[in-house]
Amino acid sequence: DAGITQSPRHKVTETGTPVTLRCHQTENHRYMYWYRQDPGHGLRLIHYSYGVKDTDKGEVSDGYSVSRSKTEDFLLTLESATSSQTSVYFCATQGGGNEQFFGPGTRLTVL
Amino acid sequence: GIQVEQSPPDLILQEGANSTLRCNFSDSVNNLQWFHQNPWGQLINLFYIPSGTKQNGRLSATTVATERYSLLYISSSQTTDSGVYFCAGEPSGTYKYIFGTGTRLKVLA
Repeated sequence: DAGITQSPRHKVTETGTPVTLRCHQTENHRYMYWYRQDPGHGLRLIHYSYGVKDTDKGEVSDGYSVSRSKTEDFLLTLESATSSQTSVYFCATQGGGNEQFFGPGTRLTVL
Repeated sequence: GIQVEQSPPDLILQEGANSTLRCNFSDSVNNLQWFHQNPWGQLINLFYIPSGTKQNGRLSATTVATERYSLLYISSSQTTDSGVYFCAGEPSGTYKYIFGTGTRLKVLA
């Protein structure tokens, strides 16, 4: 598996505060993804990146922004967190073999 | 957009039983994968299977790309097989993977 870490692993925050989640990979994979997982919805794509400074929106991008200044890091930012953004967030990477690998996830609670 | 349907949504088995999980796509996808999410939430790669058949121990998978479905076979199930099984695919050239809502499997000792 790709060496993927996510930080923090757990976070509790209040409505209206900014939150940044970090994904770090050690495999030099070109593609990186942020998903959210909610009961009854499976995993839904928020944003993805196809290279440094190259990003695009996914299915549920409203309220989220991303940045990728280095190959190994992909940041997900909630500018003003809302209770509807309480979820488990997964980062994934994809290398030349077209197979996705997932990080351990971040559990975010917005009160 | 493309819809992904997984069946059955829930499955309870006795240890040692066999099962077949199905994943249907409403349109063609690339890079089909199967994942297992264990009870601790970790997503584990099972198969990368855009077409054909693969086997890994007690698990095997078959994808018939022309008919837009994939099957995951679990034989001689064990309690450690419990969790949720997801399939995912990429509509051609989009890099935007779509996941099914999963099959929740519980294996009883």
